[in-house]
Amino acid sequence: GAVVSQHPSWVICKSGTSVKIECRSLDFQATTMFWYRQFPKQSLMLMATSNEGSKATYEQGVEKDKFLINHASLTLSTLTVTSAHPEDSSFYICSASQAPYNEQFFGPGTRLTVL
Amino acid sequence: DQQVKQNSPSLSVQEGRISILNCDYTNSMFDYFLWYKKYPAEGPTFLISISSIKDKNEDGRFTVFLNKSAKHLSLHIVPSQPGDSAVYFCAASVNYGQNFVFGPGTRLSVLP
Repeated sequence: GAVVSQHPSWVICKSGTSVKIECRSLDFQATTMFWYRQFPKQSLMLMATSNEGSKATYEQGVEKDKFLINHASLTLSTLTVTSAHPEDSSFYICSASQAPYNEQFFGPGTRLTVL
Repeated sequence: DQQVKQNSPSLSVQEGRISILNCDYTNSMFDYFLWYKKYPAEGPTFLISISSIKDKNEDGRFTVFLNKSAKHLSLHIVPSQPGDSAVYFCAASVNYGQNFVFGPGTRLSVLP
């Protein structure tokens, strides 16, 4: 099956710093990538949808200036958490699909801890 | 307000028996439903899906049933195996789209 990787898998940062998380589709071209957030014992919450070469579409309640998403190529999307605070600590998961209405393949996730 | 609910946070089943995971939804516009399986520290993996034009879809040991009038779907795993122990998420979308709404998940433990 298609493989999606995320880097880093785990990051600890100080409050006020920015953290970049990468999501790569390794063996296919992803026209669409999705970013999710999961709090402990809670569901995956879709944060935003990004299509290669265009601006991301954010879900209601997600601050676009805080969670910067860039989908510059068909194999790479990045999520930057700007000026991170402890409440941003969470598990962030990306997924990718080759075309609209195609199956999504999920990355392994990135655990962010903000001190 | 949760649009997709999985009211059982956990479920334990003996190996070889049937596991039944339930999911309820409130949005009548949902027309595409999926089940994902997630191991710790890994991303979810797709298991099985069903569209609203069907009431059953089967793939090996996994069967999903959809009851549109009750806004309820269930995943049956038979026979259950220890390797099935994971968190199972139910997800739904509108217009067969990719913007899925996920349930909170049910942790299945299959006991040897």
